[in-house]
Amino acid sequence: DQQVKQNSPSLSVQEGRISILNCDYTNSMFDYFLWYKKYPAEGPTFLISISSIKDKNEDGRFTVFLNKSAKHLSLHIVPSQPGDSAVYFCAASFGGAQKLVFGQGTRLTINP
Amino acid sequence: DTEVTQTPKHLVMGMTNKKSLKCEQHMGHRAMYWYKQKAKKPPELMFVYSYEKLSINESVPSRFSPECPNSSLLNLHLHALQPEDSALYLCASSQSGGASYEQYFGPGTRLTVT
Repeated sequence: DQQVKQNSPSLSVQEGRISILNCDYTNSMFDYFLWYKKYPAEGPTFLISISSIKDKNEDGRFTVFLNKSAKHLSLHIVPSQPGDSAVYFCAASFGGAQKLVFGQGTRLTINP
Repeated sequence: DTEVTQTPKHLVMGMTNKKSLKCEQHMGHRAMYWYKQKAKKPPELMFVYSYEKLSINESVPSRFSPECPNSSLLNLHLHALQPEDSALYLCASSQSGGASYEQYFGPGTRLTVT
């Protein structure tokens, strides 16, 4: 039972344009959501997070949107840069639990 | 210092060997984690230590044995592994008991079991 889903295994975007990565979840108990970025042969790097009491959080080029009624969140990257090419994982947690549930990941490729 | 370090970077071991993976953080975090990641899959949680006590064991086989000697160090002892245990093993740490749930990951140890 996959509680966090990233339905797009890959996404290709032109440099300078907006990248939008999507994530859906099924467990309504989740109250904290995170995005991680992973390069090959490295550990995941924390990017941005959002609490369920908010619907938007912004940090520089990265913005995360949360739609609780749709159980959907998205990560917007604008403008996209070549260094953004990586695998992006969505993750969720609840109740202060230390367990993060990860999605399957989306491979983002930024084309020059 | 916002770094989690892991040694070794690569490890090849036979099915009868005993080896250990090491992880260290100096961020004052009181929760530390072991994850296993297979190719093209998300990280899967194995163990969580909170304040140096094992708080979560995700039904991991006993051939994996975690140890937390102090708040900065986390080990994973390996014995009699199977080829299907070949994977990237990731260590992470986070503040414990706070409102922030962000986990910070190390670069991982690439383990190959022959």
